[in-house]
Amino acid sequence: EAGVAQSPRYKIIEKRQSVAFWCNPISGHATLYWYQQILGQGPKLLIQFQNNGVVDDSQLPKDRFSAERLKGVDSTLKIQPAKLEDSAVYLCASTSRRNYGYTFGSGTRLTVV
Amino acid sequence: AQSVTQLDSHVSVSEGTPVLLRCNYSSSYSPSLFWYVQHPNKGLQLLLKYTSAATLVKGINGFEAEFKKSETSFHLTKPSAHMSDAAEYFCVVSDPTHSSTSGTYKYIFGTGTRLKVLA
Repeated sequence: EAGVAQSPRYKIIEKRQSVAFWCNPISGHATLYWYQQILGQGPKLLIQFQNNGVVDDSQLPKDRFSAERLKGVDSTLKIQPAKLEDSAVYLCASTSRRNYGYTFGSGTRLTVV
Repeated sequence: AQSVTQLDSHVSVSEGTPVLLRCNYSSSYSPSLFWYVQHPNKGLQLLLKYTSAATLVKGINGFEAEFKKSETSFHLTKPSAHMSDAAEYFCVVSDPTHSSTSGTYKYIFGTGTRLKVLA
């Protein structure tokens, strides 16, 4: 089975610019997650979707971050405007079953300069 | 809320010697626990999971972990380290208190343990 696809792999932007990341989960996986992993830390959940609805976005900085999952398949995560502290790897994960374990994408490494 | 504590940020072992990566959790419920591995510039890969079945869980690449409720621990072990085991390892607890009406869970990650394998 194909894995979780993410693009781009790397992105370098200047602060105050905007950026978008894309995720395509495993086919049939209803639940999709976006995590932020700052260097030296464990991943932190930003937002969780069930199909095209938001389940949990309590940790998403909504003044600058937004995410959508139109049609319950692909998802995009946007940052506008970016800050230096947004430099991190953004991981997308999906799962098909309750408590089954996630499948992660390779991530997008964002550097804000 | 549930949480996990990985007791060592860095562990170094010689190739061929045993590996022990320690994880303690706090939970008000019967938790589900996972270990993930992350190789440099790669995504996170599931090593093994405990979901209230057998307390000794075997995973991929010769790793295993034992759930000990009395000690609230879920330590990861491997009898003999290989150079390819060098990576970052994350202990994860599944938090049912954050489950939605859809029945999904939120995963709480530890801070990670970086394993170095010496030749």
